[in-house]
Amino acid sequence: GAGVSQTPSNKVTEKGKYVELRCDPISGHTALYWYRQSLGQGPEFLIYFQGTGAADDSGLPNDRFFAVRPEGSVSTLKIQRTERGDSAVYLCASSWSGSADTQYFGPGTRLTVL
Amino acid sequence: AQSVTQPDIHITVSEGASLELRCNYSYGATPYLFWYVQSPGQGLQLLLKYFSGDTLVQGIKGFEAEFKRSQSSFNLRKPSVHWSDAAEYFCAVGPQNKFYFGSGTKLNVKP
Repeated sequence: GAGVSQTPSNKVTEKGKYVELRCDPISGHTALYWYRQSLGQGPEFLIYFQGTGAADDSGLPNDRFFAVRPEGSVSTLKIQRTERGDSAVYLCASSWSGSADTQYFGPGTRLTVL
Repeated sequence: AQSVTQPDIHITVSEGASLELRCNYSYGATPYLFWYVQSPGQGLQLLLKYFSGDTLVQGIKGFEAEFKRSQSSFNLRKPSVHWSDAAEYFCAVGPQNKFYFGSGTKLNVKP
C-alpha cells in the first residue's frame, strides 16, 4: 500500500519568501505529525494533528510557522518570511490514532533558503 | 525535561561482527521507546518499540533492544551485522504523541 508522501521533495527559495510543504498521510490514519530535521540532528517535533485539529503545536518555533489539515487527511506546513535558519528537511509522519501508535514517516522535503 | 542521548556519533564495525548502539533517555514517567533507521534518501523506518512488558524487544532485520529502567537506557543490538545495515540510527522517547529523538548514530560497515 502507499506510504506517507511529501511534496515537493526539494524546495529552494529565497530569504523572505513564503513556502508551503505538503504531506499526504497513509489512508485512514487520523494522526499526523510534522518534524524538522536539521543537518546532523535528529528530528525535532513541530506539531501534531488529531483529525482536523492541531492537538499539540508546542514545537512550532515561532509565528512564521503554521500548519493546517482542513479535511483530516492532507496537511500543509506553511512558512512565512523564510529565513536561512529554516533550511532543513521537513518530515511528516502519520499513525492510526495517536496514543503512541507507530508513526510512519515520509521521505521528507528538503528546504533550502538562500 | 525529556531528552535522548546517543553518545556515539559514528561507529564502524566489520561485516559479521556484533553491534551495540547506545541510547540513554531522560523522562519523567514510564517512557515509550523506539529505534528508527534512516538510509540515504529514505524515510525513517521503525525497527522496534517498547511500551511495557518484557524488557527485551525483538524487531525487524534481526535487531533487538533491551530496556533497563535503572540505567535509563534502551540499547540496540544485533549479533551479526550485514553490509546493508549501514545507515543512521535514531533512538526516540515519547509520551503519547510527541517523540523526542536523539541526534543519531551513523553506522559504517567494513567488508
